[in-house]
Amino acid sequence: EAQVTQNPRYLITVTGKKLTVTCSQNMNHEYMSWYRQDPGLGLRQIYYSMNVEVTDKGDVPEGYKVSRKEKRNFPLILESPSPNQTSLYFCASSSRGQGVSTEAFFGQGTRLTVV
Amino acid sequence: GDSVTQMEGPVTLSEEAFLTINCTYTATGYPSLFWYVQYPGEGLQLLLKATKADDKGSNKGFEATYRKETTSFHLEKGSVQVSDSAVYFCALRRGGSQGNLIFGKGTKLSVKP
Repeated sequence: EAQVTQNPRYLITVTGKKLTVTCSQNMNHEYMSWYRQDPGLGLRQIYYSMNVEVTDKGDVPEGYKVSRKEKRNFPLILESPSPNQTSLYFCASSSRGQGVSTEAFFGQGTRLTVV
Repeated sequence: GDSVTQMEGPVTLSEEAFLTINCTYTATGYPSLFWYVQYPGEGLQLLLKATKADDKGSNKGFEATYRKETTSFHLEKGSVQVSDSAVYFCALRRGGSQGNLIFGKGTKLSVKP
């Protein structure tokens, strides 16, 4: 089954404690992205990757890091989480094959709370 | 910059009512347009899409037509069901883009029996 898998689904952590949210896709997609969803703000892109070892900032990259060492994985790293990073996070992937019309597939989300 | 504006929610309707959720966009070039739906506790999933002017996307009774002259992509359904209760997101992907989707803020729909 084609899917994007995020882990963990829920996470409560303390300010300053490094954490990683994993994302894996089994569709051999070139593009992967991370979004955060906040009430009244919709989805905002954090980082994206066009292929292995190619990443770039989205609209709200501050406080986040990513890496793309393998095509299937795109982890999101919070080196020193702060309470303003409390949010619902989504990973997404899509194929380059259909160009601009290609559909994005989303993971089920990670609800992060930083206290 | 490119952007998507959709009507504020929440929207509450009775079962079998007609639904319209407005979406307008600002973009350079020739974007593709999408509607995504997010059911409670789940990720987003594609509802429908349109890739050029005058295209109509449709799925599960929902429809939206790509109107370049009014830069709009309004979502409609003739008769909503309780199971349609969800958050709906309008989005665009720009022509020449390397994969970036730009989303509206979402519209929460609640359908009452």
